[in-house]
Amino acid sequence: EVQLVESGGGLVQPGGSLRLSCAASGFRFNGYEMNWVRQAPGKGLEWVSYISSSGHTIYYADSVKGRFTFSRDNANNLLHLEMNSLRAEDTAVYYCATGVEMVQGVVNYWGQGTLVTVSS
Amino acid sequence: EIVMTQSPATLSVSPGERATLSCRASQSVKNRLAWYQQKPGQAPRLLIYGASTRATSIPARFSGSGSGTEFTLTISSLQSEDFAVYYCQQYDHWPPPWTFGQGTKVEI
Repeated sequence: EVQLVESGGGLVQPGGSLRLSCAASGFRFNGYEMNWVRQAPGKGLEWVSYISSSGHTIYYADSVKGRFTFSRDNANNLLHLEMNSLRAEDTAVYYCATGVEMVQGVVNYWGQGTLVTVSS
Repeated sequence: EIVMTQSPATLSVSPGERATLSCRASQSVKNRLAWYQQKPGQAPRLLIYGASTRATSIPARFSGSGSGTEFTLTISSLQSEDFAVYYCQQYDHWPPPWTFGQGTKVEI
């Protein structure tokens, strides 16, 4: 069974930093691209970042480019999202997400999400 | 960036009725369009990809159609468990961003 479990969310002050992690299991992790998708409270879904299966190709939404860093540890089936210079508008539930045996760009597995709150 | 626009924002229907949700792309995305269902406090669930292909275990009452810039999700006979928010997403643009619509809430 595919499982994605996020951790690391919490309350942080504007300008602060936070590191999210996602532990993956139940599939051949090093064979699949991964994504972060976020959802502000009461709002819609926003794609945040993509990483290739090898970790060599990474893309970011313009809203986080230069502030967030996405990485993966294929030896330990882990993803990390390093978030710096956090702003109030980064407040959201962050989901790690992937498509297993699926067309590129389509997500058929989501984690339960971790809440990041940026507030003083 | 491709902008996805969903309508209506809210759809009020009764159980057993048909629901039709629309999604429009700001430029052609061919058939590279997915639909997701999200219930309160839960992660989204994939319903449809390729504009019309149902994902694994999705009931036949859910169907998708369209191509280019106009897409439709139809729920043929609403069940109580179908009341939720539905999002469309394009995945044609490479490299990302892959963009979502703002959602349609289907309520009783």
